[in-house]
Amino acid sequence: GAGVSQSPRYKVAKRGQDVALRCDPISGHVSLFWYQQALGQGPEFLTYFQNEAQLDKSGLPSDRFFAERPEGSVSTLKIQRTQQEDSAVYLCASSQMANFDNEQFFGPGTRLTVL
Amino acid sequence: AQRVTQPEKLLSVFKGAPVELKCNYSYSGSPELFWYVQYSRQRLQLLLRHISRESIKGFTADLNKGETSFHLKKPFAQEEDSAMYYCALSVPSSGSARQLTFGSGTQLTVLP
Repeated sequence: GAGVSQSPRYKVAKRGQDVALRCDPISGHVSLFWYQQALGQGPEFLTYFQNEAQLDKSGLPSDRFFAERPEGSVSTLKIQRTQQEDSAVYLCASSQMANFDNEQFFGPGTRLTVL
Repeated sequence: AQRVTQPEKLLSVFKGAPVELKCNYSYSGSPELFWYVQYSRQRLQLLLRHISRESIKGFTADLNKGETSFHLKKPFAQEEDSAMYYCALSVPSSGSARQLTFGSGTQLTVLP
């Protein structure tokens, strides 16, 4: 079946622009995670949804970052007034349940470059 | 706060040689540890998890709580093992979920 998909795959934004990144999780997966991966680093947790509820947003770096999953499936990560330090690959992952031993399936990522 | 350290950014070995990718963690609770792998032009995927105590593609990893380590090992490396490897620690998040804390990764190159 289809895995996690993300769009766009690449996004170039001018500093100060707003961007929206989309994630389509595997159908039926309850949990959805967003991670930020800077160049040369491992992914860092941003936020977590269980169905439509955003239960953890402790990793969001500033109030310019906002995520939603209104119907419990597709999720959007929005970054307002982008800054150069926002340049990174943004990864989305989903898992079937919320337990720790449920494997997280990752999408291909969206590479954001802020000029 | 939890932390995962992978001291080697790059590691090269010859085909057939043993390989060990190091991972150390710091966490005050009971750790749940994973290895993820990313092959060239592919997405990040789970390789193995410590709780399963399984061998995947010939790789094994043993959790050593005394040394707070979870090193990944393979006795005979193959060229197709060349990839980026990430060690990850699962910690409690809200709503019974657990978030992953990743190390910075080790790029393994297996030479012919």
